[in-house]
Amino acid sequence: QKEVEQNSGPLSVPEGAIASLNCTYSDRGSQSFFWYRQYSGKSPELIMFIYSNGDKEDGRFTAQLNKASQYVSLLIRDSQPSDSATYLCAVNQGAQKLVFGQGTRLTINP
Amino acid sequence: NAGVTQTPKFRILKIGQSMTLQCTQDMNHNYMYWYRQDPGMGLKLIYYSVGAGITDKGEVPNGYNVSRSTTEDFPLRLELAAPSQTSVYFCASSYPRASGRPSTDTQYFGPGTRLTVL
Repeated sequence: QKEVEQNSGPLSVPEGAIASLNCTYSDRGSQSFFWYRQYSGKSPELIMFIYSNGDKEDGRFTAQLNKASQYVSLLIRDSQPSDSATYLCAVNQGAQKLVFGQGTRLTINP
Repeated sequence: NAGVTQTPKFRILKIGQSMTLQCTQDMNHNYMYWYRQDPGMGLKLIYYSVGAGITDKGEVPNGYNVSRSTTEDFPLRLELAAPSQTSVYFCASSYPRASGRPSTDTQYFGPGTRLTVL
């Protein structure tokens, strides 16, 4: 079983702080990595993807990838209450198929 | 564009009943997927399709069947419903871009169908 692991949380962060979400994966051949956000009772929506080692920034979001350590993370700067959601890490393992982690529930406290 | 639509939104089934979950997309996407999400868990792939007439099993296909007769529609059939199939079902679609590089194709999700089997 090729797995994607996330800490299920809940992760509680004060408003304005940096939220750090982590994900590890077992398949060393994985090539692209995705972060989805899912509000309670809603469907997942893509925040960003990354496939090269290092950092990728998009607004308040930064994805970080370290293929040697099989580790991908998502940083959310200046956290807002509207960022409270479950964040799903997904790994592309070929043929357009994604394997999802169990998600980390994030709560931003005003 | 409506994107990905799913019907019904909610359904309660009795053990042993059958039903079809409908999924339609109007984005002319080749690829379509069915996932299930159990409470507090991530999504698990049930079946997927790379085009009309072509389907393949995902991680958890047992108890389900699919067909893909058109680009737009990808129905999921549950035969002999069991309590273990109580879940939220999401349909998704994507459009594959150029090959030869890591896939970064976005999957667009429908609103989901909440199914309870009693």
